[in-house]
Amino acid sequence: KQEVTQIPAALSVPEGENLVLNCSFTDSAIYNLQWFRQDPGKGLTSLLLIQSSQREQTSGRLNASLDKSSGRSTLYIAASQPGDSATYLCAVTGANSKLTFGKGITLSVRP
Amino acid sequence: ETGVTQSPTHLIKTRGQQVTLRCSSQSGHNTVSWYQQALGQGPQFIFQYYREEENGRGNFPPRFSGLQFPNYSSELNVNALELDDSALYLCASSPKGIRGDTQYFGPGTRLTVL
Repeated sequence: KQEVTQIPAALSVPEGENLVLNCSFTDSAIYNLQWFRQDPGKGLTSLLLIQSSQREQTSGRLNASLDKSSGRSTLYIAASQPGDSATYLCAVTGANSKLTFGKGITLSVRP
Repeated sequence: ETGVTQSPTHLIKTRGQQVTLRCSSQSGHNTVSWYQQALGQGPQFIFQYYREEENGRGNFPPRFSGLQFPNYSSELNVNALELDDSALYLCASSPKGIRGDTQYFGPGTRLTVL
């Protein structure tokens, strides 16, 4: 059974800091890994998708890497801003396109 | 191109009642998945529909059922509501059931069971 872990559960950083969010998963037989952003009480916004054959993806200040063999992914956020405050969830796609999510990391960026 | 929409936004029910949640998938997408997200948790997979047929189910009891229509919109029905069913229900659509594709999420329906 696939399990996705995100540690820590919460993180508070000053504005401008570069930061790394970690995600680990137990079963390396995945089709892809996605990072999502969720604002309080809202739905999910896809940030980056990394196919199982890829090592990383970049979008603006965000960079996500994937090491499938070790079951790890990182989301790098450069020059963090207060508007980046949200919960960040990682999810892996397995059989039947089922997404298995971690519990998320709640990020607070202090002005 | 419209995104994934869900209705209603919020819903309050009492224990034992039945509820129907609705989802309109993004244009061109024929696969819809439903997820339950309890407070402080990641979303949990309920089931998926591909071309009007169930295509995978998570660890949810039979009182959670679904339907997909010819226009690929979908419904989630929950019978005999329990307090623990209180959660944000998310629907996601993806094109052509391709496993490698991004799933696009709707804004969710917040269900409160009293």
